[in-house]
Amino acid sequence: AQTVTQSQPEMSVQEAETVTLSCTYDTSESDYYLFWYKQPPSRQMILVIRQEAYKQQNATENRFSVNFQKAAKSFSLKISDSQLGDAAMYFCAYRNNNDMRFGAGTRLTVKP
Amino acid sequence: EAGVVQSPRYKIIEKKQPVAFWCNPISGHNTLYWYLQNLGQGPELLIRYENEEAVDDSQLPKDRFSAERLKGVDSTLKIQPAELGDSAVYLCASSLTDRAPYGELFFGEGSRLTVL
Repeated sequence: AQTVTQSQPEMSVQEAETVTLSCTYDTSESDYYLFWYKQPPSRQMILVIRQEAYKQQNATENRFSVNFQKAAKSFSLKISDSQLGDAAMYFCAYRNNNDMRFGAGTRLTVKP
Repeated sequence: EAGVVQSPRYKIIEKKQPVAFWCNPISGHNTLYWYLQNLGQGPELLIRYENEEAVDDSQLPKDRFSAERLKGVDSTLKIQPAELGDSAVYLCASSLTDRAPYGELFFGEGSRLTVL
């Protein structure tokens, strides 16, 4: 079964600074999708960014970008110019035909 | 457009009591998911529906959990009887399709269950 590992239970960043959240995954598939979701306290999970495995170009969404290393099975999220509203749990997720799995999450704190 | 709606948001029951959670997915979304999320953990799939068919229920504890999705729209997840270890957040999510290209899952706000 595919597994998703987030090795950083907690991360902290100063407002306006940059932070990178790590994610690795294990799969034998060649075609899959990777996601980062954000879950603010007591609020619903929302999609931050998505990456198709067949695309070599790293996805970007405004202040959010990924570093996708397919051979290394690594999918890190970079948040630039961090804002107080970025404070949340961040979950890395893997999806293919039969499965969508989430990592254990990284709690991001943003310090003013 | 309305998002994924879940109810109740919070439920407190005593152990051995039954409980039910309801989910209404985004209109037109064929795929519906129920996830279990323990405190400080990522969501874990309980069951996945494609229309009214449960296509993956391998992680659903069938001795006490049941789910249905009549008419392929809204869904109900039931626990009977509840145990202390069932205290968690039950998340419902939907997506347009379960086929490639895989779009995002849209999540509801969750139903937080506390079993005393």
